[in-house]
Amino acid sequence: KQEVTQIPAALSVPEGENLVLNCSFTDSAIYNLQWFRQDPGKGLTSLLLIQSSQREQTSGRLNASLDKSSGRSTLYIAASQPGDSATYLCAVTSGTYKYIFGTGTRLKVLA
Amino acid sequence: DGGITQSPKYLFRKEGQNVTLSCEQNLNHDAMYWYRQDPGQGLRLIYYSQIVNDFQKGDIAEGYSVSREKKESFPLTVTSAQKNPTAFYLCASSTRDRGGAKNIQYFGAGTRLSVL
Repeated sequence: KQEVTQIPAALSVPEGENLVLNCSFTDSAIYNLQWFRQDPGKGLTSLLLIQSSQREQTSGRLNASLDKSSGRSTLYIAASQPGDSATYLCAVTSGTYKYIFGTGTRLKVLA
Repeated sequence: DGGITQSPKYLFRKEGQNVTLSCEQNLNHDAMYWYRQDPGQGLRLIYYSQIVNDFQKGDIAEGYSVSREKKESFPLTVTSAQKNPTAFYLCASSTRDRGGAKNIQYFGAGTRLSVL
């Protein structure tokens, strides 16, 4: 059974710092991995999707990498800003339409 | 604007009452999903539908029911059999390209359900 873990559960950093969020999964037979952002009381916004054949995806200050063999993905945020404060979730899908989500990392960027 | 609309934003349920959460999308997506989110936990899948008139149970389907009569609509009913319904409910949609770049999940803004 696929399980997704995100560490740390919470993170506080000063503005301007580069940071890395981690996501690990137990079954490497995935179709793709998606990173989401969730603001308090809101729905999820897709940030990046990495297909199983890809190693990384970039969008602006965000870079997501995928290492299927080790069951890991990282989300790198460059030059963090207070507006980046949110919960970040990763999710994987393994050949069905079911996505398995991690519990998220709650990020606070201090001005 | 294309997107997913969930209504209502807040909903209150009395004991023994069934309530229905609405989810409408105009993204022309075939697949739609319902998730439940509890504080400090990840999203758990309740039901999903790949095409009209077809749907499958997710991991926590007991006490819930759905229908998919139209491509655009995927309402969720929380029945009286669901003894702990207080949670944040999220609807999502995606294409059916399971392994491809288009299989991005798009989410609505959510419905917060509480028990009176």
